[in-house]
Amino acid sequence: DIQMTQSPSSLSAFVGDRVTITCRASQTIRNYLNWYQQKPGKAPNLLIYAASTLQSGVPSRFSGSGSGTHFTLTITNLQPEDFATYYCQQSYTTLRGTFGQGTKLEIK
Amino acid sequence: QAQLVQSGPEVKKPGTSVKVSCKTSGFIFGSSAVQWVRQARGQRLEWIGWIVVGSGKTIYAQNFQERIIITRDLSTSTASLELSSLRSEDTAVYYCAASRGTIGSFDVWGRGSMVTVSS
Repeated sequence: DIQMTQSPSSLSAFVGDRVTITCRASQTIRNYLNWYQQKPGKAPNLLIYAASTLQSGVPSRFSGSGSGTHFTLTITNLQPEDFATYYCQQSYTTLRGTFGQGTKLEIK
Repeated sequence: QAQLVQSGPEVKKPGTSVKVSCKTSGFIFGSSAVQWVRQARGQRLEWIGWIVVGSGKTIYAQNFQERIIITRDLSTSTASLELSSLRSEDTAVYYCAASRGTIGSFDVWGRGSMVTVSS
């Protein structure tokens, strides 16, 4: 099975900061990578799919990059509503859809 | 508007089975994929499996391989997850999510179904 390793597991930042979260796959997944945001008690919300495509309605301060085994999610100009937990997921549906361990983004 | 409506909370005894349903509307069900994900209180998201609705092909997480069945009913645009041989560790919120456009882009999520396993 493909393993997805996400880092860091937690992160503190100020409003207005720029942060980057990394996700590594144990084998190549080309660009089959999603990023989600989850707030407590809510279902996850798709931010980025196909590694770098911004989901409709998601603010442009979110961006994704990478291919193969190394991916990043970057959030610029952090807003108060961005403090949440972020997950990556392998999305190639002929393989198992493993999630990363999650990154909890907290306000400093 | 695309929507997934999940079945209500369940309380089950260890060793029994549970079936959670996910009724879809507002998009072409037959052209979608549906995944199931669970989350125990305070824990990370755990992928359970997915189904490509048109073909009916399923892929399951290795941890659940022997205990789950994911199905779809094209006549009612509903996907279902059945989990058997329940144990206390299966207590969690179970989410379904649909990929309507690019396969694998799970952009519509249900609100979750709470399953509690307790003797």
